[in-house]
Amino acid sequence: SQTIHQWPATLVQPVGSPLSLECTVEGTSNPNLYWYRQAAGRGLQLLFYSVGIGQISSEVPQNLSASRPQDRQFILSSKKLLLSDSGFYLCACTTVGFEQETQYFGPGTRLLVL
Amino acid sequence: QKEVEQNSGPLSVPEGAIASLNCTYSDRGSQSFFWYRQYSGKSPELIMFIYSNGDKEDGRFTAQLNKASQYVSLLIRDSQPSDSATYLCATGGGFGAGTTVTVRA
Repeated sequence: SQTIHQWPATLVQPVGSPLSLECTVEGTSNPNLYWYRQAAGRGLQLLFYSVGIGQISSEVPQNLSASRPQDRQFILSSKKLLLSDSGFYLCACTTVGFEQETQYFGPGTRLLVL
Repeated sequence: QKEVEQNSGPLSVPEGAIASLNCTYSDRGSQSFFWYRQYSGKSPELIMFIYSNGDKEDGRFTAQLNKASQYVSLLIRDSQPSDSATYLCATGGGFGAGTTVTVRA
C-alpha cells in the first residue's frame, strides 16, 4: 500500500516570504497527486492536481503554484505568502486499479503566516 | 469539482447510540462514494467506500447508497467517544464540508 510523506510538519512564515512544501509517495507508480488546503474549521479546498510528471491542473486562482518534477514528488510553492495562505495543507494520491478514485492523504503541513 | 452536500451538524450523540450522517451529491455520473474520518489536527483517513446501491457494513459502520436519490449515508452504531471526529463524504474527488460528531460519555 502507498505511503505519503509531507514536510515540514509545521511552518511559521512571515507575510511576503516564499514557500516550498514537499510531498513524496511510496508504494505506488504513476499516481494522481493532489494538493488541498483546509482553513481552520473548514472543508477541503482542492488547489492542484497532477496526472503525471510536469502535468499540473489548477483549481483555484491564487498566488500558489505546484510542480511535479518526478513521478512520486509533488511540490507546492509560493513566491510571496499572504495571511490568507495560513491553513492545513494536505497532499493526497489516488491508487492505480479498481479503487483508483480512492484518495489517501499524507499527514499534512500546518502553515501559519504572520 | 463535483458538488457534495452534508448535513451541517454538529451532531452530538450519547455513548452507545447510533450516529446518522447524510450526504447528497449533484453529479448523477458519480460511481464511487467514500466516507473519511478526520480527528482534530489530523489528516482524513478512509473508513468506508461504497459503489453499489444498498448497504455495506464494516464493523460498527454501515454505509448506505441510493443512486436514484443521489444520497449516501453513514451510520455509526454503538457510538464510542473515540468516534468523536469530523466525517467527510466524498465522491469522484469532490468532498463535502464535513459533519462534526461528538459522542458524550
